[in-house]
Amino acid sequence: NAGVTQTPKFQVLKTGQSMTLQCAQDMNHNSMYWYRQDPGMGLRLIYYSASEGTTDKGEVPNGYNVSRLNKREFSLRLESAAPSQTSVYFCASSEGGWSVDQPQHFGDGTRLSIL
Amino acid sequence: DAKTTQPPSMDCAEGRAANLPCNHSTISGNEYVYWYRQIHSQGPQYIIHGLKNNETNEMASLIITEDRKSSTLILPHATLRDTAVYYCIVRDISNFGNEKLTFGTGTRLTIIP
Repeated sequence: NAGVTQTPKFQVLKTGQSMTLQCAQDMNHNSMYWYRQDPGMGLRLIYYSASEGTTDKGEVPNGYNVSRLNKREFSLRLESAAPSQTSVYFCASSEGGWSVDQPQHFGDGTRLSIL
Repeated sequence: DAKTTQPPSMDCAEGRAANLPCNHSTISGNEYVYWYRQIHSQGPQYIIHGLKNNETNEMASLIITEDRKSSTLILPHATLRDTAVYYCIVRDISNFGNEKLTFGTGTRLTIIP
């Protein structure tokens, strides 16, 4: 049971470089999410996709873009990486839908360092 | 979504019941209470959720007060593997697409051998 798979697990970038974090889920979930977690803090929502074809900003969207490629895949792109984006990034998915009280399932995270 | 308040840390002896409190005094009628935990920087793991009735599953029990202003997560027989940060979250599911989880800083539970 793969669940939510994130790649890569670790990455080091230089300031100004770009990269895309990949996320895929095999649970046929409608909704997908990207969070970041900084040391000693809880998770903060970057972007989410309530359903295929839609994306919306979360709490901390600046400096990021997302693409809901299909129902399975939701990618997060850093166009010009900055040291402030050093963090652990988590992708999650849930069944979604109207008044559905289903939990979110998380991947194991991507640890990103920007030098 | 309503805010939650949790103690920053707790200890519990191995084999005992761990009782983790959460205050959510501004919770509204459409908001569920969710509990997640995060073990050593892994991805958060769903534990249990409820609206107003007490809930139990294979991992834990959730006790919600009658006025819904607070709740308690109970791990009945804590093991060392239960050492983690536990997050209490309230979420309004009445709006389509509004499934965002707002994580606070949680309670760091340490199980003592």
